[in-house]
Amino acid sequence: DTAVSQTPKYLVTQMGNDKSIKCEQNLGHDTMYWYKQDSKKFLKIMFSYNNKELIINETVPNRFSPKSPDKAHLNLHINSLELGDSAVYFCASSQAGAQYFGPGTRLTVT
Amino acid sequence: GESVGLHLPTLSVQEGDNSIINCAYSNSASDYFIWYKQESGKGPQFIIDIRSNMDKRQGQRVTVLLNKTVKHLSLQIAATQPGDSAVYFCAENIVSGGSNYKLTFGKGTLLTVNP
Repeated sequence: DTAVSQTPKYLVTQMGNDKSIKCEQNLGHDTMYWYKQDSKKFLKIMFSYNNKELIINETVPNRFSPKSPDKAHLNLHINSLELGDSAVYFCASSQAGAQYFGPGTRLTVT
Repeated sequence: GESVGLHLPTLSVQEGDNSIINCAYSNSASDYFIWYKQESGKGPQFIIDIRSNMDKRQGQRVTVLLNKTVKHLSLQIAATQPGDSAVYFCAENIVSGGSNYKLTFGKGTLLTVNP
């Protein structure tokens, strides 16, 4: 069974559109995260939720809105997509320790 | 290939050799460190972690060394295999309270294992 899963794996869309990425973890962890990995492989945290509550918000444009309907799910909605949003987005989860990552969603904005 | 244009630090070793990947971390208050392996097209995969009250930890074929004096972390891979080829990241954490772990990732090192 996949521990942290994301959908879709690939997302190609035009500038100005709104899109969502979904994440689910079946590890029973309390904390979930969204990371952005740029073309140079640099990984940067965007958001963290603990038990559905936002605890980290790292200077991310407010076009990005995470939502956690329950502690096993953390979705990322992006409004008015821009070219610079093109990246790989990773979801992760943890329980007071190492974070476990999903397979990533490659977002391409044209 | 995917590495073109990445400008990551690179390490190229022969199959069977030992590999050492180094990482300098930035925050002396960091108390927990993790090494991740990322293969092409996949998410980062946990390899091994170490807390700041230790200076060495061993796993299967891997050893992490922590030198807090100079804020240096290293990952040693014994008998490197072609399947070890990947980008390796170190990550440091400062516990902000309870279970609020915020990881800061290093730049990554591309390990290439030659058969």
